[in-house]
Amino acid sequence: GQSLEQPSEVTAVEGAIVQINCTYQTSGFYGLSWYQQHDGGAPTFLSYNGLDGLEETGRFSSFLSRSDSYGYLLLQELQMKDSASYFCAVRGPSGGSYIPTFGRGTSLIVHP
Amino acid sequence: DGGITQSPKYLFRKEGQNVTLSCEQNLNHDAMYWYRQDPGQGLRLIYYSQIVNDFQKGDIAEGYSVSREKKESFPLTVTSAQKNPTAFYLCASSIGETYNEQFFGPGTRLTVL
Repeated sequence: GQSLEQPSEVTAVEGAIVQINCTYQTSGFYGLSWYQQHDGGAPTFLSYNGLDGLEETGRFSSFLSRSDSYGYLLLQELQMKDSASYFCAVRGPSGGSYIPTFGRGTSLIVHP
Repeated sequence: DGGITQSPKYLFRKEGQNVTLSCEQNLNHDAMYWYRQDPGQGLRLIYYSQIVNDFQKGDIAEGYSVSREKKESFPLTVTSAQKNPTAFYLCASSIGETYNEQFFGPGTRLTVL
């Protein structure tokens, strides 16, 4: 099976940079993804890392180190609208399929 | 516009009743998923389907059933056997089972009275 650990809450001020870490355990690894979910809404896909290194998409970047079973999401130039929950997810093997497993989520609170 | 729709947005049921949650997608995706979300527990996989007429149990399938008779539709039935059904239910789809980007519907919040 798969399991993921991420902090339950992170706080930061507007304009700052924040990093949300994710460590995982899986019997097989097929990539680390990140999702954003505003309160009461649907999760939306932010990024995917299949190989080691940094992927950049605008103000958001995501990093993966497969040897350390670790990744992070980096949010720059924080805005109030970035206040949301952020989930990391891995896809791993299960009974011949590749099922996704999500972390418990990190609540990001951005203060003015 | 392509996307995933779930209905209803809010659903109330009495204990002992079965209830079916709708999920429809027009993205032409092969894979579909049902998740349950409780406060502080993230998303937990209930069932998933890689192709029409095939589906597999996820981590918490007990008390739930699904069908996949059409590519576009993946309804979830919450049965009376589910002991704690009050939760937020999310349906998602992806191009295929190996594609990491999932598209989510708006969710159905089920409350058992």
